[in-house]
Amino acid sequence: AQSVTQLGSHVSVSEGALVLLRCNYSSSVPPYLFWYVQYPNQGLQLLLKYTTGATLVKGINGFEAEFKKSETSFHLTKPSAHMSDAAEYFCAVSGAGGYQKVTFGTGTKLQVIP
Amino acid sequence: DTGVSQNPRHKITKRGQNVTFRCDPISEHNRLYWYRQTLGQGPEFLTYFQNEAQLEKSRLLSDRFSAERPKGSFSTLEIQRTEQGDSAMYLCASKLSSSMNTEAFFGQGTRLTVV
Repeated sequence: AQSVTQLGSHVSVSEGALVLLRCNYSSSVPPYLFWYVQYPNQGLQLLLKYTTGATLVKGINGFEAEFKKSETSFHLTKPSAHMSDAAEYFCAVSGAGGYQKVTFGTGTKLQVIP
Repeated sequence: DTGVSQNPRHKITKRGQNVTFRCDPISEHNRLYWYRQTLGQGPEFLTYFQNEAQLEKSRLLSDRFSAERPKGSFSTLEIQRTEQGDSAMYLCASKLSSSMNTEAFFGQGTRLTVV
């Protein structure tokens, strides 16, 4: 079984500041990890994913995340926030391989202050 | 457009009525998922299909809910005797079931409001 905990349901940052969204996972098997973004009344768009190999993964829109097995974490970062980054972000986990369903966290709503 | 398509985008229904949603996955994607998302929550898994076979159902899927994927292409999700607690966004996702393809692509969802 897999689960995800996202710390902080709301995060506010100033435009140009560092974005850090926290995610910790639990998995009984080697995990695949994902970050999705959701804009109001829209579906989910994949930002980035970790499967195997390099633990620092880069995604779209300047986001990146680092898989830390020892900390069971997969935090999402972006060096400089942009107004267009305001959205809800979901961390998700599945079992290794393409065969498992994806389990989502409860989401973090990012507000960017001008 | 080759993305996942969901119809309708919005549905308002009276309590006790039946509703049906449709999902058209990306062509050749053999795996299809349904999720439900309530306000302030992440998507919760409901069920998934491998081709036309329904392989797993969440305990969230009460007997009022039924999903089909008759020809392994589009899928429908029906809710009978709707209740106010059914109000949510219903998301569909599809993917190729392969160890090399780990990403599920989501549709824009159907927002159901039960009044």
